[in-house]
Amino acid sequence: DVKVTQSSRYLVKRTGEKVFLECVQDMDHENMFWYRQDPGLGLRLIYFSYDVKMKEKGDIPEGYSVSREKKERFSLILESASTNQTSMYLCASRPPPGGATEAFFGQGTRLTVV
Amino acid sequence: RKEVEQDPGPFNVPEGATVAFNCTYSNSASQSFFWYRQDCRKEPKLLMSVYSSGNEDGRFTAQLNRASQYISLLIRDSKLSDSATYLCVVDPYNNNDMRFGAGTRLTVKP
Repeated sequence: DVKVTQSSRYLVKRTGEKVFLECVQDMDHENMFWYRQDPGLGLRLIYFSYDVKMKEKGDIPEGYSVSREKKERFSLILESASTNQTSMYLCASRPPPGGATEAFFGQGTRLTVV
Repeated sequence: RKEVEQDPGPFNVPEGATVAFNCTYSNSASQSFFWYRQDCRKEPKLLMSVYSSGNEDGRFTAQLNRASQYISLLIRDSKLSDSATYLCVVDPYNNNDMRFGAGTRLTVKP
């Protein structure tokens, strides 16, 4: 059974803290993604990575950075958490392009910044 | 204009009803299309891919209209377990840059 695992289901952090969200996949996928999901806005892409040490900005990268030191692990970093980063964060992985390929998601991390 | 637009609903239907969702997309070069299902407080999961010729999976039928740039999902004989949010997903260049609609919420009632 394929699996994408996020390190926490729920997190509460204080404004200004540095926050690390971890994601691990066991499918040997090259491509990994970080989204945030907010009511009425759907999923918005923050960053994605198509290989180790490679990263690309998505639509809303401001205030975030990422790290991909190993193929199976993709980390999202909030450099200085702010209340407008309170959201559901979803990690996904996907095989390389070439046809209609399925994306697999982690269970999500609900982050609250107070 | 949003890249992928869906009617947010909610759609409240009785068991056994047929319900249809539409989704429009703005990028005419889009290559791949999907419907994902997301249960409350859970992650999205692939329901079905959408092919140019249309495709069916049991009670679910997906259609693509490239000329009008919309995709649709038809659910026949709705079950209580179909209650979920349905996300329309478009892959503009088939290169992993997936674009999500905000989702359509469906509640099937006894």
